[in-house]
Parts: sequence; structure tokens; C-alpha cells
Amino acid sequence: EAGVVQSPRYKIIEKKQPVAFWCNPISGHNTLYWYLQNLGQGPELLIRYENEEAVDDSQLPKDRFSAERLKGVDSTLKIQPAELGDSAVYLCASSSYINNSPLHFGNGTRLTVT
Amino acid sequence: GQNIDQPTEMTATEGAIVQINCTYQTSGFNGLFWYQQHAGEAPTFLSYNVLDGLEEKGRFSSFLSRSKGYSYLLLKELQMKDSASYLCAVNGDYKLSFGAGTTVTVRA
Repeated sequence: EAGVVQSPRYKIIEKKQPVAFWCNPISGHNTLYWYLQNLGQGPELLIRYENEEAVDDSQLPKDRFSAERLKGVDSTLKIQPAELGDSAVYLCASSSYINNSPLHFGNGTRLTVT
Repeated sequence: GQNIDQPTEMTATEGAIVQINCTYQTSGFNGLFWYQQHAGEAPTFLSYNVLDGLEEKGRFSSFLSRSKGYSYLLLKELQMKDSASYLCAVNGDYKLSFGAGTTVTVRA
């Protein structure tokens, strides 16, 4: 089966600029996650979707971050405006259901804010 | 919230055995996962434990003690390709949280 696809792979922007990341989950996976990973740290959850519904966005900095998952398939994560501290790897993952199904991760987008 | 602790780094020799410990505190425990992450790549699933005991999968085994809030990942017959970060992740109240990861370096 095709894995989780993310784009772009790398992104370099100046602070205060907007940026968007795209994710296509594994076909049939209704749960989609966006994680942020800093160097030497584990992934930190930003938002979790069950189909189109954001069921956990408690860790999403809503003043500058937004996400959407139209039609319950692809998802987009946006940052506007970006800050220097947003430099990190943004990982998308999907699973077939939440309870004990492992997450399948995409290769991530490495964001550098200058 | 959840508190997950694992060692930062471990080094072992090719062919040897390494045990990576993970301790956790959480409410509503609903399973523990181990993931492997090579530098610059995505985490990949290794194992899942929800009941006490040992789960064996080839050269990798994972153990869980729910009463002690403790798990370990055992890597046997180490190979150079096993050099990676190993992430302990706990599902508590249906929210999956990751530890900071243990970087394992395998030396010839």
C-alpha cells in the first residue's frame, strides 16, 4: 500500500511569512495527525482528526496555526505568520482507528524560518 | 498529562544485546508503542503492548509492566542498521504521547 505522503519535503521562509504543508494519508485511514518534532525530541501532537472533525486541537497554537481536512482525506496545516521558533519537522501520520492501531508517518516537512 | 522517561543515548557492539527502558505516568492507560526513527526519516512502528508480559518479534522484543509503569525494548543480535532513535509512546486517555527517544549507536 502507498504510505503517507507529505509535501514539500523542505521549506525555507523568512519570519512573518505564511507557509502551508500538505498531507495525503493512507487510503482508508480515517484518523489523521499532525505532529511537530524538534531535533532530539519526540513528536508532539498538534492536532488529531477523526474524518473531517478535529477531535483534539488542544496543543495547536491557534493564534498562528490552522488546519483543515476537507472531505476527510487530505489535510493542510498552515502557519501565518511564521516565527523563528517554528523551525522544526512537521510530521503527518494516519491510522485506521485510534485504540491500538499503529500510526503510519510520512517523511515530514523540514521547516526553516530565517 | 503524561510523563515519559527514557535514556538519551546508548552504545553497543555489533552482535550484542541492548535493552532500552521506558518509564511512564499516565491516566487511562490504553497501550504502549515502540517506534524506530533513523536520522532524517519518519518513525516506523516496531511493537505494541497493552497487557503485561513480553511480545517477541524476530530480533526485537518488548516488555510491559502496567503496575510499575515500565516497559523495555530489547534488541538482539545488533546490526549496524539498528543505529537509530527508539521512541517510547504511551496511549493515555486515547491520546498518544512520545518520549524524547533513545539514540542507539551500534559499533563494529
